[in-house]
Amino acid sequence: LAKTTQPISMDSYEGQEVNITCSHNNIATNDYITWYQQFPSQGPRFIIQGYKTKVTNEVASLFIPADRKSSTLSLPRVSLSDTAVYYCLVGEVGGFKTIFGAGTRLFVKA
Amino acid sequence: DAGVTQSPTHLIKTRGQQVTLRCSPKSGHDTVSWYQQALGQGPQFIFQYYEEEERQRGNFPDRFSGHQFPNYSSELNVNALLLGDSALYLCASSTFRDTQYFGPGTRLTVL
Repeated sequence: LAKTTQPISMDSYEGQEVNITCSHNNIATNDYITWYQQFPSQGPRFIIQGYKTKVTNEVASLFIPADRKSSTLSLPRVSLSDTAVYYCLVGEVGGFKTIFGAGTRLFVKA
Repeated sequence: DAGVTQSPTHLIKTRGQQVTLRCSPKSGHDTVSWYQQALGQGPQFIFQYYEEEERQRGNFPDRFSGHQFPNYSSELNVNALLLGDSALYLCASSTFRDTQYFGPGTRLTVL
């Protein structure tokens, strides 16, 4: 299973775009990249998932370069309610032994 | 359409006791996974159930056991509770080999 590396924490202000990068040098051919958001004492919430290039939904965008050794979650115009921990996961979709890292703690300030 | 539900929300037990946590998967999902999340850490995979069988297991002792029922709901049982078992227990459901969706969790406190 590919190990992921993310920044421990990030600060931003309301209305700014936030980009969180995840490194996964050992990503395998069948692996997808999935991002979750988690608020304190709540279950992780699925944000976005992708395999290559760019994926966009109503919440975020996911950019994946051609070598797939990293990925960037982009949150447009964050608000205070986006303050949370963001996890990057790499593995087969629905695969066994899904491994969460420590995540990135995003603080959005007014 | 209800998402993943878990019960109870909170639970307090004493060392040595046994506990049972319950999970109902999202409609249409047949696979349930359980995770333990200690304070300040990411969730740790316990095991996954599909077709009423444990398909894969993380690095957890045999004190942790589970069950999946024909309606795809699941239970997590923990025997001989230790202080270190205090955590948020998360259930995630999916169709087999598809994206997992998490429930709100059960906060277990062991005194």
